[in-house]
Amino acid sequence: DADVTQTPRNRITKTGKRIMLECSQTKGHDRMYWYRQDPGLGLRLIYYSFDVKDINKGEISDGYSVSRQAQAKFSLSLESAIPNQTALYFCATSDLTGTRSTDTQYFGPGTRLTVL
Amino acid sequence: RKEVEQDPGPFNVPEGATVAFNCTYSNSASQSFFWYRQDCRKEPKLLMSVYSSGNEDGRFTAQLNRASQYISLLIRDSKLSDSATYLCVVTNAGNNRKLIWGLGTSLAVNP
Repeated sequence: DADVTQTPRNRITKTGKRIMLECSQTKGHDRMYWYRQDPGLGLRLIYYSFDVKDINKGEISDGYSVSRQAQAKFSLSLESAIPNQTALYFCATSDLTGTRSTDTQYFGPGTRLTVL
Repeated sequence: RKEVEQDPGPFNVPEGATVAFNCTYSNSASQSFFWYRQDCRKEPKLLMSVYSSGNEDGRFTAQLNRASQYISLLIRDSKLSDSATYLCVVTNAGNNRKLIWGLGTSLAVNP
C-alpha cells in the first residue's frame, strides 16, 4: 500500500461548491504539507502542519483552509471553489527528527481538481 | 530574481548521452539541496540529496558550489526511462526549513 494517499484522485466541480481533499499517511511523520502545481508556476505551498496542534499558512493560502485531524490525516478545503483553483494538488509528509532527512518530502499521488 | 532558477529546457538527447542541468539559488544561507524527479502527471520523488563534497548514485552525480550558489545534476549514459522533469529544491534558512522549489528542467531521451 502507498505510504501517502490522497482522495479523491480526480474531481470536477462547479464554481461556488465546497470541496474537501483528504490526505492520509502511514509513514508516522509529524509534518504534512499541501501544495498546488500549475503549468509554468511549479509547486506552491498552500498550508503546512508540523504537528496536530500546529497549522501554518504557506505562500498561497487565500481561499483555502486545512484541518489536521490526527497525525496521519491532513485535509484541505476549498470553501467556495473558483475556476482559478483548477490545479493538481499534492499532499506531502516529512519527518521531524532533527537530521538532514527531515527535509526530504514524500508525496501522495495527487488530486486533479477542475472547477468549472 | 526567483529564489531557485532552472533552465526549463526541454533538453532532447539521444540514448547513451551525457546531460547536465544547473540550478541557481539566491539565498546564500540555504542549508540543504536536493534533486527531485517528476514524471508527467505524477508526484515528485526524491532523486538525490546534494552534499557539499559532491555525491554520486549510479549514473547520477550531484555537485554543490556554495560560492557561486548553484547545484548541478549530471546524468551519464541516458536511458529512455530518464525522461522526466527534474526539480531543483533548496531548503531555506531558519527553523521551519521550508523547501523552495524550482520550476523544473524537462528532459526527453530519444531512441
